[in-house]
Amino acid sequence: RKEVEQDPGPFNVPEGATVAFNCTYSNSASQSFFWYRQDCRKEPKLLMSVYSSGNEDGRFTAQLNRASQYISLLIRDSKLSDSATYLCVVNSGGGADGLTFGKGTHLIIQP
Amino acid sequence: DTGVSQNPRHKITKRGQNVTFRCDPISEHNRLYWYRQTLGQGPEFLTYFQNEAQLEKSRLLSDRFSAERPKGSFSTLEIQRTEQGDSAMYLCASSLLGGNQPQHFGDGTRLSIL
Repeated sequence: RKEVEQDPGPFNVPEGATVAFNCTYSNSASQSFFWYRQDCRKEPKLLMSVYSSGNEDGRFTAQLNRASQYISLLIRDSKLSDSATYLCVVNSGGGADGLTFGKGTHLIIQP
Repeated sequence: DTGVSQNPRHKITKRGQNVTFRCDPISEHNRLYWYRQTLGQGPEFLTYFQNEAQLEKSRLLSDRFSAERPKGSFSTLEIQRTEQGDSAMYLCASSLLGGNQPQHFGDGTRLSIL
């Protein structure tokens, strides 16, 4: 089983719609969670950290479900500029503190 | 610009040559990471430093790869005797101490092996 799994998509969504995607992780000892956004041929950029209580940043809401080992990202009122690949990222702690990335979910917002 | 800086942005070289990349992290960040990303995949962890100490290396980091951070500031990643499978984007990231600290990425160095 892969450590971090995401539906690669693509998700084709009309502008203004709400879209949600999930990510599952295999290591129950994972300690911190993030969503990163990556545009084509660009570096990943932090979108938001994911807290146990859930958190919201404008149109974006992230939630963590430790019991089921998944995190989610909800985007409301989607904009054309939201088109990107969204990477689910888990820090399992231990020695490395290196992040484990999912392969990403490709989102296309259509006018 | 006080973000993570990497150079060169692109490197094209023949198989068998050695290449070296440089990363300048955000100045107050103690930790520096190297990742590799290929098309359609998420970034894969290679190694990381806390100050000048290299604390962990991934199994992806073969003997042909070596990374240094001699003064705890910038870092270099060298690949010796490059192979076609080394073609990828090499990303550097930095962060403050602590597992909950997000990592901030540079633009990456895109390596193409002919």
